[in-house]
Amino acid sequence: DQQVKQNSPSLSVQEGRISILNCDYTNSMFDYFLWYKKYPAEGPTFLISISSIKDKNEDGRFTVFLNKSAKHLSLHIVPSQPGDSAVYFCAASAMYSGGGADGLTFGKGTHLIIQP
Amino acid sequence: ETGVTQSPTHLIKTRGQQVTLRCSSQSGHNTVSWYQQALGQGPQFIFQYYREEENGRGNFPPRFSGLQFPNYSSELNVNALELDDSALYLCASSPQDRINSPLHFGNGTRLTVT
Repeated sequence: DQQVKQNSPSLSVQEGRISILNCDYTNSMFDYFLWYKKYPAEGPTFLISISSIKDKNEDGRFTVFLNKSAKHLSLHIVPSQPGDSAVYFCAASAMYSGGGADGLTFGKGTHLIIQP
Repeated sequence: ETGVTQSPTHLIKTRGQQVTLRCSSQSGHNTVSWYQQALGQGPQFIFQYYREEENGRGNFPPRFSGLQFPNYSSELNVNALELDDSALYLCASSPQDRINSPLHFGNGTRLTVT
């Protein structure tokens, strides 16, 4: 039973265009959401987060949108750059925790490929 | 600022053996969590340690156990290894007293069980 789903295993985007990565969740108790980026042979690196009291959070080229009624969030990267090529994981937790005693629940990831 | 470091980077073990993986938390972080990432999957929460005690656990059997030391470093022990234990094991640290502080991950230990 996957509580966090990333339905696109891979996504190819042209350099300079917008990349949109999607994530759906089923557990209504989730109230804090994070995106991590992972390069090969490295651990996941925190990118951006959003709590359920907001519907948008922005940090430079990265914006995360949360639609609580649809249990859906998305990560927008504008403009996309070659260094953005990586696997992106969506993660969720309860109790406004960035990774507390219940841990983070991760999706399977989306491999983003930025084409020159 | 020193990040999360894990050792060894790679390990090959035989089914039935025992393994110990090690992790040093990022400076200033007093909480350590362990995750298992199987091929093609996202990381799965194993357990978390705070103040040298396990204070949260995911859906993993008791043969997965851990320790946290006074300097906040940690060990993950897996007994009676099974082929399905082959995975990337990730350690992550965070400051417990800062809510919404994201986890900081190490580069992981790649365990292969043959």
